[in-house]
Formats: sequence, structure tokens, C-alpha cells
Amino acid sequence: NAGVTQTPKFQVLKTGQSMTLQCAQDMNHEYMSWYRQDPGMGLRLIHYSVGAGITDQGEVPNGYNVSRSTTEDFPLRLLSAAPSQTSVYFCASRVGRNNQPQHFGDGTRLSIL
Amino acid sequence: GDSVTQMEGPVTLSEEAFLTINCTYTATGYPSLFWYVQYPGEGLQLLLKATKADDKGSNKGFEATYRKETTSFHLEKGSVQVSDSAVYFCALHSNYQLIWGAGTKLIIKP
Repeated sequence: NAGVTQTPKFQVLKTGQSMTLQCAQDMNHEYMSWYRQDPGMGLRLIHYSVGAGITDQGEVPNGYNVSRSTTEDFPLRLLSAAPSQTSVYFCASRVGRNNQPQHFGDGTRLSIL
Repeated sequence: GDSVTQMEGPVTLSEEAFLTINCTYTATGYPSLFWYVQYPGEGLQLLLKATKADDKGSNKGFEATYRKETTSFHLEKGSVQVSDSAVYFCALHSNYQLIWGAGTKLIIKP
């Protein structure tokens, strides 16, 4: 059972570089989301998608772009990396109903120098 | 807006002690409530959930009851083990989003 797969697991970038964090799920879930996790702040929602072709902003969207061309994939793009984006990033998915739990990937640890 | 407040950690207990991690929430309507657990170096996993008032979620010896009158969803376990050491997150569903507490780190000493 693959579940939610995130790549890469670790990445170091220089300020100003761009990159894409990949997320794929094989459970045919409609809903997918990206969070960042910072010490003492819990998880903060960056962007989410309720289905292919539909995306929306979460709590902290600035500096990030997403797209959802297929049900399976939900990549997160950093346009011009900044040290403030150093964090652990988690992708999650669930079926559409609100009371269903989310399934998380193992995370991507990103450092911006 | 909707919010979740958890007790600050870390919480340090000896093995076999009783555990309570407090969680209170503010929300309109009747949200579903969740506890997630994050073991060191891993992603988050669902621990238990409750979808309506007075529901009790339980899993792996942990329990939490959805208390609408006190807007609480406290996590309890009667006898903790070293393997329970992790970070625990309380969360509620609001519209399409999960609203998260800040997390409580639990350290169990043998």
C-alpha cells in the first residue's frame, strides 16, 4: 500500500532557487492538501484541492503555487525560495467528506540557506 | 474563526502512569474532532476520531470523548508505555480544512 508518497525526503536550496515538491496518492482521494510544520506552531495549511482542476489557498499561501491536473498528483512549487520557508512539508489526502481522516505522507524536510 | 487549543508540552511521565492531554475548541456548528500522533521522524497518523457530541473515540488504549457542553476532546490513556512517546495533535474539521492544535510532545521514561 503506497498511500501518500512525497519526494524528495530532504532538500537544501539556496535563497532565490525554485523547486517542486512532489506528492502522489493512489487511493483515488478527491481532497489533497499541503501543510508546513514549524516548531511550536503545529501544522499550517498552505494550499488545498477538492478535486482535479480545483485549488484554493489555505492559511499561509504566499510564496507557493500548486496545480491539480490529475486526481493522483498535487505538486507544490516554491517560486523563489526564502529562508523563512525552511520547514517540514506534509502532503495529505482524504475522501471528500469532512468527517473522514486525512492520510499523510512522510514529509519533506526543506532547508533554505 | 474556528480554533483548537492544546496543553503545552512537553509532558513527561513515567511508564504505566495515567495520561491526560487537554484539548478545547471553538467552532460554529458541529465539527468532527480528531487526535493525530506523530512518532519521531514520521508523518502524522490518525489515532482516533469522534463525529458528534458524546461520541467516544478509542484506539491503542487511548480514548477521547466529544464534550459539546465544555467544547473539549481530552485525550486519555490509563497506562502509558515508552513506545507512546510522540507528538500528539488535536484537530477539528471546519469546511474543507483541518484546524490544528500546536501539538503536545509526550515523553515517557522507563
